[in-house]
Amino acid sequence: KAGVTQTPRYLIKTRGQQVTLSCSPISGHRSVSWYQQTPGQGLQFLFEYFSETQRNKGNFPGRFSGRQFSNSRSEMNVSTLELGDSALYLCASRGLGTDTQYFGPGTRLTVL
Amino acid sequence: AQKVTQAQTEISVVEKEDVTLDCVYETRDTTYYLFWYKQPPSGELVFLIRRNSFDEQNEISGRYSWNFQKSTSSFNFTITASQVVDSAVYFCALSEKGDSSYKLIFGSGTRLLVRP
Repeated sequence: KAGVTQTPRYLIKTRGQQVTLSCSPISGHRSVSWYQQTPGQGLQFLFEYFSETQRNKGNFPGRFSGRQFSNSRSEMNVSTLELGDSALYLCASRGLGTDTQYFGPGTRLTVL
Repeated sequence: AQKVTQAQTEISVVEKEDVTLDCVYETRDTTYYLFWYKQPPSGELVFLIRRNSFDEQNEISGRYSWNFQKSTSSFNFTITASQVVDSAVYFCALSEKGDSSYKLIFGSGTRLLVRP
């Protein structure tokens, strides 16, 4: 089975721009979660989607949003980028009836 | 509040040494799950093990072993006969389940350097 894939792997943006990251879960997995990893704050939960519905959201401003499509693929969007949004964004998928999350390679976002 | 503490920021060992990574957690839940993930330089978090709160049996997988003790709220990870390929950042995590969603709460990670 193919693992979780994320595109793009690297991204450079400037302050004020917006960005969209994409995540394709493991085949058959319907839950997708997003995490932000920074040197200062570590790994923090952003949100979880299941069957196109947001199930849970972390403590992030409204500039961070996401969605999930009927094929379980998910996107997250960050609007009005700030320097502090520079991070590794990790996506994870989870199968039904299990709580183990499998992670993708991440998208490294740099905001200049 | 749910919390995971990995007090060891960095550990450096020489190849073939045994090394133990500590993890202490806090939770009010009676049912919870604990995880260990490995993050090599490539960045991807690699799942190593999951343990539920009702199963305190220790587990061994090759050179890896895990010691779960509810009495001390600890879930420690030991690598026996370490190898250079074990060099990575290791994260302990606690799964918080609420309203059918699952959220991982991570510790700050322990960077392991295995020197040849």
